[in-house]
Amino acid sequence: NAGVTQTPKFRVLKTGQSMTLLCAQDMNHEYMYWYRQDPGMGLRLIHYSVGEGTTAKGEVPDGYNVSRLKKQNFLLGLESAAPSQTSVYFCASSYGGTLASPLSQYFGPGTRLLVL
Amino acid sequence: RKEVEQDPGPFNVPEGATVAFNCTYSNSASQSFFWYRQDCRKEPKLLMSVYSSGNEDGRFTAQLNRASQYISLLIRDSKLSDSATYLCVVNMGAAGNKLTFGGGTRVLVKP
Repeated sequence: NAGVTQTPKFRVLKTGQSMTLLCAQDMNHEYMYWYRQDPGMGLRLIHYSVGEGTTAKGEVPDGYNVSRLKKQNFLLGLESAAPSQTSVYFCASSYGGTLASPLSQYFGPGTRLLVL
Repeated sequence: RKEVEQDPGPFNVPEGATVAFNCTYSNSASQSFFWYRQDCRKEPKLLMSVYSSGNEDGRFTAQLNRASQYISLLIRDSKLSDSATYLCVVNMGAAGNKLTFGGGTRVLVKP
């Protein structure tokens, strides 16, 4: 049981280049999330998905697109990378359902992205 | 005002001592609360959920004060391995189980 995995672990891009970050989970979770973490800013939600084929915007969605074609995978795309997108990106997943009990999220190991 | 606020620290703690810190949240409709631990250059990991009646897990005790809108974490008998950043996390009742993270409180336990 690998939990949540992310690829790649580290990437350097030039301004204007595109790339896709892959997140995979093997816990059969309905919900998946993409966050970015910057010094002094905490984790901020980029996009999330409540099920296969659905996506929604989070707090900081501009410059990113996502897709959830399979339940276990959640892709984050940068169409034209900018230096402001230099960050650590974390994927997370959780069970769906009601708020009857706390629903914690499980995180992947992160992708460090540097945009020059 | 940030939705979830924490003292960034660092809290410098002698090994074996007790340390406690709080986190305040702005939304009175918040549904559930967590403490996550994040080691340097690693992913956040759930430390414990915070229940209304308070809860304890070994050396860690979490409390919730809904009236004053804060949660607390207390670490007893601190170990060197407790050095980490502790993230206060709140589910404000939004759809999609979205969580709001505080900026973290850094704890350094020293011999």
